[in-house]
Amino acid sequence: EVQLEESGGGLIQPGGSLRLSCAASGFSVSDNYMTWVRQAPGKGLEWVSVISSGGRTYYADSVKGRFTISRDNSKNTLYLHMNSLRAEDTAVYYCARDLEGIAGYIESWGPGTLVTVSS
Amino acid sequence: DIQMTQSPSSVSASVGDRVTITCRASQGISSWLAWYQQKPGQAPKLLIYAASSLQSGVPSRFSGSGSGADFTLTISNLQPEDSATYFCQQARAFPSITFGQGTRLEIK
Repeated sequence: EVQLEESGGGLIQPGGSLRLSCAASGFSVSDNYMTWVRQAPGKGLEWVSVISSGGRTYYADSVKGRFTISRDNSKNTLYLHMNSLRAEDTAVYYCARDLEGIAGYIESWGPGTLVTVSS
Repeated sequence: DIQMTQSPSSVSASVGDRVTITCRASQGISSWLAWYQQKPGQAPKLLIYAASSLQSGVPSRFSGSGSGADFTLTISNLQPEDSATYFCQQARAFPSITFGQGTRLEIK
């Protein structure tokens, strides 16, 4: 069974850094496109970043240069390193796996972890 | 960026009814469209991909149609558990996927 579990969220001051982790089970993160999507409180869904099975990384303009997606194949874990955090980065962050064979559609989601950027 | 616009923003219907939600892309996206269901406090769930392909395990009362810029999600024989917010999402501009603003479905 495919499972994803995020951790690492919390309250952080503007300008601070945070690392989110996403532990995967039931499949290998290295074999799939893995995506981070966020949702501000009471708002819609916003794509943040994706890493391909080959290791190529892509970012939304709103986080480019501040966030870094990575993975540890030995730990079967996905990460999102977030620097220079802003109030507008406050959101629930979801780790997700794209549909096998059809990147761009998100098949499996973790429960999410809340990041609050506030002084 | 490709903008996705859903209508209506909210809808109320009764058990057994049929509901249709519309999604319009700011430019043609062929059939690169997905629909998700999100219940309060939960992560989204993939319902439909490639505009009309039903994701495994999703009840057949959910169906999707459309191509180009205009798409619909239809829920037939509405059930109480269908109360949720529904989002469309384009994958044409992958990796820069974008979502609609959501449609809240209330069961009377």
